[in-house]
Amino acid sequence: GNSVTQMEGPVTLSEEAFLTINCTYTATGYPSLFWYVQYPGEGLQLLLKATKADDKGSNKGFEATYRKETTSFHLEKGSVQVSDSAVYFCALSVETSYDKVIFGPGTSLSVIP
Amino acid sequence: NAGVTQTPKFQVLKTGQSMTLQCAQDMNHNSMYWYRQDPGMGLRLIYYSASEGTTDKGEVPNGYNVSRLNKREFSLRLESAAPSQTSVYFCASSEARGMDTIYFGEGSWLTVV
Repeated sequence: GNSVTQMEGPVTLSEEAFLTINCTYTATGYPSLFWYVQYPGEGLQLLLKATKADDKGSNKGFEATYRKETTSFHLEKGSVQVSDSAVYFCALSVETSYDKVIFGPGTSLSVIP
Repeated sequence: NAGVTQTPKFQVLKTGQSMTLQCAQDMNHNSMYWYRQDPGMGLRLIYYSASEGTTDKGEVPNGYNVSRLNKREFSLRLESAAPSQTSVYFCASSEARGMDTIYFGEGSWLTVV
């Protein structure tokens, strides 16, 4: 079946630290991959996405590269800010089941000044 | 720019009571979804509707019913609430299928006592 695994949280970093949140997936077919972010008290919103192997999604200083050989889509940011404190969800959608997006459990990030 | 609007935002129910969560989107999207979010579980799909007049079960449909009233509106009904349905519920929509960006409402916090 299709599934997404994320690193366990919570993650606590100091401002300006480097961030990596690991995400690996299992999928039948050719998935599109997403990172969604949920700020406190809000719904999820798309952060970035990649639709084919070796694509790099980027937004707001965050990046993730679709690695088919390692079935991974790790999220990175070079210098985090307090405003990046949120829960980050890795997700996939498979072309044979477009209506069903599979979300990972989420990784909570806290950035302290 | 309302996007996806869901009501109510907070609700406390007694076991056995019924209620309907309302959702409307103003983006002319074809696909609409209901998810529930529980600690450590990520988001789980309850029901989705690929187009007006169609609905399909997701991962956790038991205890819920849905109605795609028209293209804009997609309601979720709990016929006989149970404590296990205590959760945060998110309505969402996308232009066509899951590989498109999904837009989420702000969530409805439901407690069943």
